[in-house]
Amino acid sequence: QSVLTQPPSASGTPGQSVTISCSGSSSNIGINTVNWYQQLPGTTPKLLIYSNNQRPSGVPARFSGSKSGTSASLAISGLQSEDEADYYCATWDDSLNGVFFGGGTKLTVL
Amino acid sequence: QLQLQESGPGLVKPSETLSLTCSVSGGSISSSSSYWGWIRQPPGKGLEWIGTIYYSGITYYDPSLKSRVTMSVDTSKNQFSLTLSSVSAADTAMYFCARRPRGYSYGHFNYWGRGTLVTVSS
Repeated sequence: QSVLTQPPSASGTPGQSVTISCSGSSSNIGINTVNWYQQLPGTTPKLLIYSNNQRPSGVPARFSGSKSGTSASLAISGLQSEDEADYYCATWDDSLNGVFFGGGTKLTVL
Repeated sequence: QLQLQESGPGLVKPSETLSLTCSVSGGSISSSSSYWGWIRQPPGKGLEWIGTIYYSGITYYDPSLKSRVTMSVDTSKNQFSLTLSSVSAADTAMYFCARRPRGYSYGHFNYWGRGTLVTVSS
């Protein structure tokens, strides 16, 4: 059982909005900040959101992150074909003393 | 612009030791503002954190790999390294090195190498 749980897949049509969830516990998301990564097919992961809701320079504003309690979410608005990728959440777990990634969510743009 | 590049054998025999190096350019590995990490990704699967090291030698390892992992820094070569002992087929993966900025969360990696594929097979 993963420390951080993400849905294996998500989908949407161009222009739509989609939300990807990341569920954790009181020892990880509940007390630590969450980061999100985008991995386009065949490429290196790219930091998409850090500290729950901050975007690195160059990341479009249509990507946003939020956290509530022991869950976090990545929202993508105005979906584009180039958003088709795998998305991962990541955070530290104070009980297990390690960095954990969610299992990843494959986003398909229909 | 900071750049990282992994290097090492692409094939390792079961029970042997995997050794990889990450060369850093465009910045100093001795910078007090950086931590350095290794993350792996088995074929077709998700990301797994292996460990993180500071130039001073402070290390943080994944609890499930801790008994087999050693990370080190070579400031003279601007490189850091990973060794993973007693490997098995389960250690077959793309291995990435990455940089974590100090002052940010442990899961925050803002620069990544392109990765190197390591296959464990006899």
